[in-house]
Amino acid sequence: NAGVTQTPKFQVLKTGQSMTLQCAQDMNHEYMSWYRQDPGMGLRLIHYSVGAGITDQGEVPNGYNVSRSTTEDFPLRLLSAAPSQTSVYFCATQRVGAYEQYFGPGTRLTVT
Amino acid sequence: AQSVTQLDSQVPVFEEAPVELRCNYSSSVSVYLFWYVQYPNQGLQLLLKYLSGSTLVKGINGFEAEFNKSQTSFHLRKPSVHISDTAEYFCAVGRDKVIFGPGTSLSVIP
Repeated sequence: NAGVTQTPKFQVLKTGQSMTLQCAQDMNHEYMSWYRQDPGMGLRLIHYSVGAGITDQGEVPNGYNVSRSTTEDFPLRLLSAAPSQTSVYFCATQRVGAYEQYFGPGTRLTVT
Repeated sequence: AQSVTQLDSQVPVFEEAPVELRCNYSSSVSVYLFWYVQYPNQGLQLLLKYLSGSTLVKGINGFEAEFNKSQTSFHLRKPSVHISDTAEYFCAVGRDKVIFGPGTSLSVIP
């Protein structure tokens, strides 16, 4: 089992470009979340999903879009990248009733 | 709304000494509390969790935490730390929408 996978591992974007960060899981977990990690700020929740077809906003949703068409995948879209979106992005999954999140290895994004 | 405060951003401690990492939370709904650890250049992994029941929770690697409802706290403790405990520690609250604190960097000094 691969667990939670994220691609790419590293990405450099220019301001205004768009891109999609991929997150996939093979654990059949219902819940999936996207976080960004910045120094001194911990992890901040961007968007989360409690199942296919259901998404909701977290603490810092502006500038990001998500959709969840399957249980396995939860892509995060940056519509028009800004330097403030330079961060490390983590995807996490959770099984209903288990209350433990499993994190992917992260994507380090730099916007110049 | 839920939130988490970790008052200590950095905690240096000598090897084999005890350590306490502080966490305070606010939540308007049922309280689910967690501690996660992040080793350098890795993702996060769960140390322990409190869902209900006994207020003293034991986790992996010799860590434990105590839920105190009146003080809205969930402090993490270890009686004797090792060099390998050097990492970032995050307190979190929530069920399907999980909110993390800013983290505490624990440095164990030989």
